[in-house]
Amino acid sequence: GESVGLHLPTLSVQEGDNSIINCAYSNSASDYFIWYKQESGKGPQFIIDIRSNMDKRQGQRVTVLLNKTVKHLSLQIAATQPGDSAVYFCAEMNNGGSQGNLIFGKGTKLSVKP
Amino acid sequence: ETGVTQTPRHLVMGMTNKKSLKCEQHLGHNAMYWYKQSAKKPLELMFVYNFKEQTENNSVPSRFSPECPNSSHLFLHLHTLQPEDSALYLCASSQEQGAADTQYFGPGTRLTVL
Repeated sequence: GESVGLHLPTLSVQEGDNSIINCAYSNSASDYFIWYKQESGKGPQFIIDIRSNMDKRQGQRVTVLLNKTVKHLSLQIAATQPGDSAVYFCAEMNNGGSQGNLIFGKGTKLSVKP
Repeated sequence: ETGVTQTPRHLVMGMTNKKSLKCEQHLGHNAMYWYKQSAKKPLELMFVYNFKEQTENNSVPSRFSPECPNSSHLFLHLHTLQPEDSALYLCASSQEQGAADTQYFGPGTRLTVL
């Protein structure tokens, strides 16, 4: 498969366990955040987003937590499955900024052991 | 499928060749983006078009030339590239630039410059 990044932080979990992937963002003015999943050979796929007026948002098997005090974002995946193996990265946007473009982190590689 | 398609999926070209990458979105979006994804680096924004107007050129060398004939199509024309330009080139679209809105990505074109 294709490598989307070398020397990425790696998280290895057992199938069925919960996974927590962390992201530190840089701009205290950022007010919109997205988590993407990128499987080998594919483009990034939207997972879940959150706006800065919230500190938690839940989707199907995923939860995003936002801590604006320490500029920290996390993605929790419940009952991790082999199909969850991918690179996950967060993106931030300053919606009030000059262009409102997404700024992406480097990513974390999640490896699920059967 | 995200509604964003890219062709070709793989491209090998010499430094003197001219080639074009194509992106098409079927989501009714008004903003389209080109990103470069290299190993060891986060996603790098290259160009943004909003309502067919180029609104961002992120200091991209002139050997990369974008074209957006309408809101559904985006091209990246390549000319006299360098080996360090080898990367995954990703196209994305969103409702409009600057809105706190999800960007949807295509599968990418894996470019190798010899």
